[in-house]
Amino acid sequence: DTGVSQDPRHKITKRGQNVTFRCDPISEHNRLYWYRQTLGQGPEFLTYFQNEAQLEKSRLLSDRFSAERPKGSFSTLEIQRTEQGDSAMYLCASSFGRLDEQFFGPGTRLTVL
Amino acid sequence: AQTVTQSQPEMSVQEAETVTLSCTYDTSENNYYLFWYKQPPSRQMILVIRQEAYKQQNATENRFSVNFQKAAKSFSLKISDSQLGDTAMYFCAFWGDFGNEKLTFGTGTRLTIIP
Repeated sequence: DTGVSQDPRHKITKRGQNVTFRCDPISEHNRLYWYRQTLGQGPEFLTYFQNEAQLEKSRLLSDRFSAERPKGSFSTLEIQRTEQGDSAMYLCASSFGRLDEQFFGPGTRLTVL
Repeated sequence: AQTVTQSQPEMSVQEAETVTLSCTYDTSENNYYLFWYKQPPSRQMILVIRQEAYKQQNATENRFSVNFQKAAKSFSLKISDSQLGDTAMYFCAFWGDFGNEKLTFGTGTRLTIIP
């Protein structure tokens, strides 16, 4: 297993455009998490899935953000009508169970011009 | 809601020396877990060590150990015999009980090991 992968690694977009990121977790990991990390800060929780069910969403996740995990495998995070404040590193992590170690992906760095 | 505070934005230490990174947290929960994560430059975040709040014994993983003071809500990380590969951002993180199942991270400490 090659670990958690994320695509793309970098995304530059213009304000107002929509972007979509993909996360492929470690196979057989039931839980998948999305975090956002801005410069000089620790990651902030956005949302998480248990299999295909989205169980919790942070208040940080405005209605412009949507995440899916069809069939409980990969996940996508879409940001509509991007704003400059959305510029950040978006991290994905997966774990087998609730208290198991979370393995992080390399992140997708989003720059909104 | 819980908060995690790391008051040392940057630290540096000579190779082979020992360094301690500080972390304090605030929570009203009794059952929780604490973690130290390492984020090397341009590399993925990895788990260094974890501590269950119900365990009195401090966790140890090779050169890494913690000093967990539950009453003081303090959770420091000690790195012994520091190596160049220990250069990284270190994040302290909190995981709550049922209904609060997400990692809350501190702002991090940038650690540089000097050859």
